[in-house]
Amino acid sequence: DAKTTQPTSMDCAEGRAANLPCNHSTISGNEYVYWYRQIHSQGPQYIIHGLKNNETNEMASLIITEDRKSSTLILPHATLRDTAVYYCIVRPYRDTGNQFYFGTGTSLTVIP
Amino acid sequence: DAGVTQSPTHLIKTRGQQVTLRCSPKSGHDTVSWYQQALGQGPQFIFQYYEEEERQRGNFPDRFSGHQFPNYSSELNVNALLLGDSALYLCASSLERNTDTQYFGPGTRLTVL
Repeated sequence: DAKTTQPTSMDCAEGRAANLPCNHSTISGNEYVYWYRQIHSQGPQYIIHGLKNNETNEMASLIITEDRKSSTLILPHATLRDTAVYYCIVRPYRDTGNQFYFGTGTSLTVIP
Repeated sequence: DAGVTQSPTHLIKTRGQQVTLRCSPKSGHDTVSWYQQALGQGPQFIFQYYEEEERQRGNFPDRFSGHQFPNYSSELNVNALLLGDSALYLCASSLERNTDTQYFGPGTRLTVL
């Protein structure tokens, strides 16, 4: 069962920051927030994950609110290749027995 | 370094038939998970294999079965195919000690007529 709520779709101008929100109001203390994306006709791709501190890597930044009930994935300079479906997932960290529940995600379209 | 590979790319079957899909994990990975993705939906977890054993299973009937070989590659078998089994079947590999970062293959598109 998906534990997250995301907007169905979003648009972003090329070169601008894309901010993708995710609500996870029932997140447990041992659950991390993960983001994956799926470009058309490809398998999902890992982006980033975090617990409560903001995280940044070469692909994106993850901002988690202090109460951990919501988060935002930020693509700082969106390109056309970032057009994809973005999935926000919560799961216990390194819980090998737990699966990923992908939900339906946010379809991001980057506009030239 | 080859990533996750899956075969075949596309497959067409008729109702009642059986199908076998194959997956080779990323080099060094020992854990394989299978997902079903219906059109317009997110991937749904089918099961996960580690050390040639099914470790966890999602809400799928027994018609869905799998196998993992000593070289960590895996097969997904579906018996008595239904029209509703038409979907993209994704394989994901990871390290048992770190299943947070799963690497997905391109998938096998199964069409059941």
